[in-house]
This record gives sequence, structure tokens and C-alpha cells, in this order.
Amino acid sequence: EVQLVQSGAEVKKPGESLKISCKGSGYSFTSYWIGWVRQMPGKGLEWMGIIYPGDSDTRYSPSFQGQVTISADKSISTAYLQWSSLKASDTAMYYCARQPGGDYWGQGTLVTVSS
Amino acid sequence: DIQMTQSPSSLSASVGDRVTITCRASQSISSYLNWYQQKPGKAPKLLIYAASSLQSGVPSRFSGSGSGTDFTLTISSLQPEDFATYYCQQSYSTLGVTFGQGTRLEIK
Repeated sequence: EVQLVQSGAEVKKPGESLKISCKGSGYSFTSYWIGWVRQMPGKGLEWMGIIYPGDSDTRYSPSFQGQVTISADKSISTAYLQWSSLKASDTAMYYCARQPGGDYWGQGTLVTVSS
Repeated sequence: DIQMTQSPSSLSASVGDRVTITCRASQSISSYLNWYQQKPGKAPKLLIYAASSLQSGVPSRFSGSGSGTDFTLTISSLQPEDFATYYCQQSYSTLGVTFGQGTRLEIK
């Protein structure tokens, strides 16, 4: 069974760093892209970027370039999304999704940034 | 970036109604168009891929059509579990994916 399992909810202060994860199982992790999607409270879906774990080829949406870092460790079938300095406006639910097709999604990781 | 415009942004309908949601791309995306359903507190669920192919396990009352720049999602007979928010997504370029702004389908 294909699964993407994300790390748990996080509560952070502005300026702190954070790395959240998305672990794939039940398929060849290195043969599909993994995309990251942001959903701010009460808002729609925003595409952040994508990584191909096979060779770590990474592309960012212009809106998120320089704001986050996407990475992957293919040895443990895990993709990551990280921030070096969080802002209150980073408060959102973050999803990973297998691409192309978006047929499998993680359960989401809620990130709350508040002083 | 390719822009995706969904309409309407919200819709009230009754159980048994036929409902159509449209999505327009700012440039041709061939048939690289997916439709998702999202319920509160849940991850999006793929309904339709490649504009008109029904994802496995999705009820046949859902259908998609279109190519180029204009696409539609149709629910032939609304069921209580269909009240949710629907998003289109273009995947013409895997590296430059964009979503529509969503259509909230509410009970009349």
C-alpha cells in the first residue's frame, strides 16, 4: 500500500528554524517526484515546489524560492521541507504529495508560528 | 506561471442536483488537468486526472471534460458526502504546477 506519512504538528516562535518530513512507503520512492503544498488557515492550495528523490533535482515556485528549502534522503525514503527563520505568516498546514498525478498525499503537518 | 481560474468560487445546491464547475487555464495545457476534492481537516483527494480519467475508487457520478484551456468537473447527482471544496490543478509542467482558487460546494 502506497503511503506518505508526515511528521507531527509543530509550534514554533518567530525566527526559529524547522524541518518537517514526509516518508514514503509501498512504492519506489526514487521513481516519483514529491511536491509540497501550503494551505493557510481558511485558504486554498498553494504549490511550493517539488523534488525528485532519485537525483535530488529540486524546483521551487517563484513565490517560495528563497523562503524554504526542499530536500530528500533517498536512503530512508523521506522528503523534507525546512525553514531557517520562521515568520508568523508561515502558519499553515503543509502537505506532501506524490507527483505526477497527485494520487497520494500525506496527512498534513500543521505548523503554528506564534510568539 | 500558468494561471488557473475556477468558477464559481462558491455554489449552493441540493442533494440530487447536477453540478458543473469550470476551470480555465491562462494558456493551453493540453489535458494536463486534475480535479481534487477536499473536506475540512483532510488532505485533498484526487478525483479526475488527465482532464477526464476517473481515479480508481471514485464514484462514476463524477466526470471531467475539456482540453486546451477550458475544463469542467460535473457531478451528475449530488450526494450528501459530496459537499466539499473542489480544486483544479494544472500539471502541464511538473515543475510549475498551479491550482485554481477552489470552489466551495454547500448544501442549499
